[in-house]
Amino acid sequence: DTAVSQTPKYLVTQMGNDKSIKCEQNLGHDTMYWYKQDSKKFLKIMFSYNNKELIINETVPNRFSPKSPDKAHLNLHINSLELGDSAVYFCASSQENTPEMNTEAFFGQGTRLTVV
Amino acid sequence: GQNIDQPTEMTATEGAIVQINCTYQTSGFNGLFWYQQHAGEAPTFLSYNVLDGLEEKGRFSSFLSRSKGYSYLLLKELQMKDSASYLCAASDSNYQLIWGAGTKLIIKP
Repeated sequence: DTAVSQTPKYLVTQMGNDKSIKCEQNLGHDTMYWYKQDSKKFLKIMFSYNNKELIINETVPNRFSPKSPDKAHLNLHINSLELGDSAVYFCASSQENTPEMNTEAFFGQGTRLTVV
Repeated sequence: GQNIDQPTEMTATEGAIVQINCTYQTSGFNGLFWYQQHAGEAPTFLSYNVLDGLEEKGRFSSFLSRSKGYSYLLLKELQMKDSASYLCAASDSNYQLIWGAGTKLIIKP
């Protein structure tokens, strides 16, 4: 069974379109994340979310919005896509990190978004 | 600002040992992670250090010096399947991971 699954794996779309990437985790984790990995391979966090708090990286344009129907799902909506949005987007999850426990994140297989 | 530095690329020979270094500067520190990422795949967890010293796990070991803001990942008995990118990530005061760009490790026969 896949622990963190995201769909689609590949997404090609035109500039200006609106698209969504879905993510689900079956690990019972409290926290989910969206990361963007650009062509230079930097992993940059976009959002982290648990049932208490949404933390947004202030550099993320407001065209990007996370939607969490329940704690096992965190979908990523992107409006008015731009060429610079082309990247690989990774969903991840972990237990809630506390001073007593800092746990690793489990990643989905990634969604390669290409905006043309 | 927060920053992670690691070499862009390293080459090593099958059966040898390689050490991948990482230096970090973060607002607060709650540990350091190493992940492995094969081309086109997701990162997978390798190790976590929060105290100074060496953590050994099979062929892989990870070292941390908090006073120096420094860590390394040591890979022994290299195998061709170890060809991958190795990502260093530091956990800051808010438990957010600050990621390096990764070190691409090329293993030659």
